[in-house]
Amino acid sequence: EVQLVESGGGLVKPGGSLRLSCAASGFTFSSYSMNWVRQAPGKGLEWVSFISRSSSYIYYVDSVKGRFTISRDNAENTLYLQMNSLRDEDTAVYYCARDPGGSSSSDVWGQGTTVTVSS
Amino acid sequence: DIQMTQSPSAMSASVGDRVTITCRASQGINNYLAWFQQKPGKVPKRLIYAASSLQSGVPSRFSGSGSGTEFTLTINSLQPEDFATYYCLQHNNYPSTFGQGTKVEIK
Repeated sequence: EVQLVESGGGLVKPGGSLRLSCAASGFTFSSYSMNWVRQAPGKGLEWVSFISRSSSYIYYVDSVKGRFTISRDNAENTLYLQMNSLRDEDTAVYYCARDPGGSSSSDVWGQGTTVTVSS
Repeated sequence: DIQMTQSPSAMSASVGDRVTITCRASQGINNYLAWFQQKPGKVPKRLIYAASSLQSGVPSRFSGSGSGTEFTLTINSLQPEDFATYYCLQHNNYPSTFGQGTKVEIK
């Protein structure tokens, strides 16, 4: 079964850091690009970041540039999101999503992990 | 950055109705557009990819159309389980962007 499982969320103070993980199983992780998507409480979906299969291409939404870093370990079948200098507005459920590439995107999603930034 | 303008933001409909949701892109995105359904407290589910390709396992009452800058999601004969929020996503250019969402409620 194709599966993505996020972990690493929690409560953190403004200015703090967290590292999210997304463990992939049931498919050849190294053959897929990956996305992070978030959803603030009561709000819509917001795309956060993309990483290509070999990490050659990486993109971020402007609001997280310089603070978040996406990475992956294809040997461990794991995607990461290092989040530094966290702000109140980063409070959200964070999802990882598989990206098959070409005209197909975000076909499989994890269950999400909740990040709360609050003093 | 490409802006995705989704309309309407909310609508009321009855079981059996035909529902149409539109996404307009601020510039051409080829067919790099997907539609997702999200129910409260649940993970988004992809319905349509490549603007008009139906995701495996999704009922055929869902369809997508459009190209360039204007795209449509149509639900024929709305069913009780279809009451949810729908989002479009463009991934032709990064940053990728979602529409604001359309909440389909029961009339």
